[in-house]
Amino acid sequence: GNSVTQMEGPVTLSEEAFLTINCTYTATGYPSLFWYVQYPGEGLQLLLKATKADDKGSNKGFEATYRKETTSFHLEKGSVQVSDSAVYFCALNSGTGNQFYFGTGTSLTVIP
Amino acid sequence: KAGVTQTPRYLIKTRGQQVTLSCSPISGHRSVSWYQQTPGQGLQFLFEYFSETQRNKGNFPGRFSGRQFSNSRSEMNVSTLELGDSALYLCASSLGQGGENIQYFGAGTRLSVL
Repeated sequence: GNSVTQMEGPVTLSEEAFLTINCTYTATGYPSLFWYVQYPGEGLQLLLKATKADDKGSNKGFEATYRKETTSFHLEKGSVQVSDSAVYFCALNSGTGNQFYFGTGTSLTVIP
Repeated sequence: KAGVTQTPRYLIKTRGQQVTLSCSPISGHRSVSWYQQTPGQGLQFLFEYFSETQRNKGNFPGRFSGRQFSNSRSEMNVSTLELGDSALYLCASSLGQGGENIQYFGAGTRLSVL
């Protein structure tokens, strides 16, 4: 079956620290992978995506590389800001139909 | 282009009542998916509608139902509300075909069951 596992939170970092949020997946077929971000009181927003192995998605300083050999899609950012405080969700779309599978979310708090 | 619109934003109901939530997708999107978000369970998939047909369904009891209209707007209904139904209900729209589909989310409807 299809599933996504991401690291448990919460994560607290100081401003300008390096961020890694781990995400691994199980999928049948050739999934597309996504990172979504949810700010307080809002819905989820797409942060970045990758559609095939070795693709790197990037946006707003965040990056994630689709690693088929390790079935991973870890989110990284070199220098976090207070405004990055949010909940981050890893997700996959298996490509058959349109069903998305989400991880449980990782809460990030960045302190000045 | 307008985003995904969910109404109402907040609802308070009592146990045993029923509730209907509404979702207007982005213009041109034919797929609408519904999710339940709770602190303990994360995002749980309820169902997906594409061109007025339910195409995928999650593992929720029959009290949860939905439909989609010819203009792609969707409604979700929960009957005989239970305390455990208190959650943020999110709607997401997408083009609906192909694995690269991106889901665009609304701000959600916060349902409180007393």
